[in-house]
Parts: sequence; structure tokens; C-alpha cells
Amino acid sequence: GAGVSQTPSNKVTEKGKYVELRCDPISGHTALYWYRQSLGQGPEFLIYFQGTGAADDSGLPNDRFFAVRPEGSVSTLKIQRTERGDSAVYLCASSPNAGYNEQFFGPGTRLTVL
Amino acid sequence: LAKTTQPISMDSYEGQEVNITCSHNNIATNDYITWYQQFPSQGPRFIIQGYKTKVTNEVASLFIPADRKSSTLSLPRVSLSDTAVYYCLVGFPMDTGRRALTFGSGTRLQVQP
Repeated sequence: GAGVSQTPSNKVTEKGKYVELRCDPISGHTALYWYRQSLGQGPEFLIYFQGTGAADDSGLPNDRFFAVRPEGSVSTLKIQRTERGDSAVYLCASSPNAGYNEQFFGPGTRLTVL
Repeated sequence: LAKTTQPISMDSYEGQEVNITCSHNNIATNDYITWYQQFPSQGPRFIIQGYKTKVTNEVASLFIPADRKSSTLSLPRVSLSDTAVYYCLVGFPMDTGRRALTFGSGTRLQVQP
């Protein structure tokens, strides 16, 4: 079946612009996670959704970052007033439920802020 | 947080067994140990998870000593396609907060022909 998909695969923007990154989880998965990965580092947790609600957003670095999941499936990570330090690969993962052992990751969106 | 320590990199040759050890001295009673594999330009992929003793699946084995302060991921007869970064995570599966979702820097495994 289809895995987690993320669009766009690459996004180049200018400092100060607004960007949206989309994640389509595996159908039926109620848990959805966003991570950020910088070069040479492991993924860094940003936010976790259980259904439509953000159960844990403690990893969001500041209030320029926001994520939604209005219908409990597709999620959008929104970054306002982008900064060069936001450049990274943004990964999305989903799992059948909150306590499930395995997370299924998408290929990521590479964001470059010029 | 249960901090994990892994070697930064390892080298091996095709056909050899590779053992990657992860230290987690302050692992909590409820914590499980999970390993993920990541290829370039891809998201991580779950390999194996265990709580104690030994767990084996079609891809790898996970050895956990009685004190659970470390664990070893064993990859039998590696091939070039096993070249990847391997991450050790420690946490409680039902804890979906940051504590359970902390990746370290991982171990970069390079398999040579």
C-alpha cells in the first residue's frame, strides 16, 4: 500500500517568506509526527498529533512554526518569516495509534532558505 | 531523558557480521530500546525493538543484557545495501512526548566490497 508522502520534495524560499509543507500519512493512521533533520544530525521532534489535535507541540522551536491536521489525516507544517537557520529536511511520520511501536516515515521535504 | 551513546561511525566488509552497541545508562524501568535505519535522502525505517534479553527478526537481532544499560544491534552478513545510519532510541512506546522520540546522531555504517 501507499506509504507516507510529503510535498513538495524540495522547497527553496527567501528569508522572510512563508512556507507550507504537506504530509499525507498512511490511511487509517491516527498518530502523526513532524521532525526536522539538519545535516549530519538525527531527526529532531517537533510536534505530534493524535487525530486532529496536537497532543504535544513541545518541540516547535518558536512561534513562527505551526502545524495543523484539521480532518485527522493530512497535516500541514507552516513556517512564517523563514530564517536561514530553518533550512533542513522536514520529516513526517505516522503510526496506527499513539502507542504503536513503529513509526513510518515519509521521504521528507528539503527546505532551503536563501 | 535517557541519553544514548553510539559510535559515530563503523566500517565493515560484505559478508561480515556487524555489531553496533548503544549505551543508555539511565534507562527507565518502562523504557524499550528501538533501532532505526536511515539511507541518504530517505526517512528512517524501523528495524527492531526490544525490552530485555534477545529479539530477532528477519533483518537483525537485538541483544540486551540483564542490567539493560546497553544494547547491541547485530546485522548478520552485511551487504553494500546495509550502508546507512543506524539510530538507537530509548523510551516508553506509550509516551508520545519528546522523551520517546529522541534520536541521537546515530552510527554511520560503511560497508565495503
